[in-house]
Amino acid sequence: DIQMTQSPSSVSASVGDRVTITCRASQGISSWLAWYQQKPGKAPKLLIYAASSLQSGVPSRFSGSGSGTDFTLTISSLQPEDFATYYCQQANSFPLTFGQGTKVEIK
Amino acid sequence: EVQLVESGGGLVQPGRSLRLSCAASGFTFDDYAMHWVRQAPGKGLEWVSGISWNSGSIGYADSVKGRFTISRDNAKNSLYLQMNSLRAEDTALYYCARATVTTEGMDVWGKGTTVTVSS
Repeated sequence: DIQMTQSPSSVSASVGDRVTITCRASQGISSWLAWYQQKPGKAPKLLIYAASSLQSGVPSRFSGSGSGTDFTLTISSLQPEDFATYYCQQANSFPLTFGQGTKVEIK
Repeated sequence: EVQLVESGGGLVQPGRSLRLSCAASGFTFDDYAMHWVRQAPGKGLEWVSGISWNSGSIGYADSVKGRFTISRDNAKNSLYLQMNSLRAEDTALYYCARATVTTEGMDVWGKGTTVTVSS
């Protein structure tokens, strides 16, 4: 099975900050990677698919990069509504797997 | 409106069975692969199972393999998860999710149905 490791587990940041979250796969997954945002009590929301493609309706301050085993989600200028938990997920092969999550908190 | 609505959750004793359903609307159901994803209280997301549009490809997490069975009825626009031999560690909020057309993510999610396994 492919293991997904996110870092950091949590990050404290201020509105306007640039935030970067990394995700590492235990083996190469090409660009088969998605990023999700989840707020408390809500279902996850797809932000990025195919490692770098922005899902329709998602603000352009979100961007994704990487391929193979190392991936990055960047929020260019953190907004109040971006405080949430973020997950990466590999879509390369069954069983699909998620990272453990990164909580973005208010500094 | 594109929508997924889960049902069938509840309180069940260890070792018993439960069947979850997911009703899809607002899109052509048989064009899409579908997944079940769960989240234990206070924990992260865990993929449970997925099924291709025609049921030709099915996968399970190691934690549920041999106990859970995913299926779909395209005529009824419905996805199912038969859960047998339930354990306390299966307690979670279970989400139904639609795969993107290229199966590179999950773009539509239901609100979830809660399964509690306890004596």
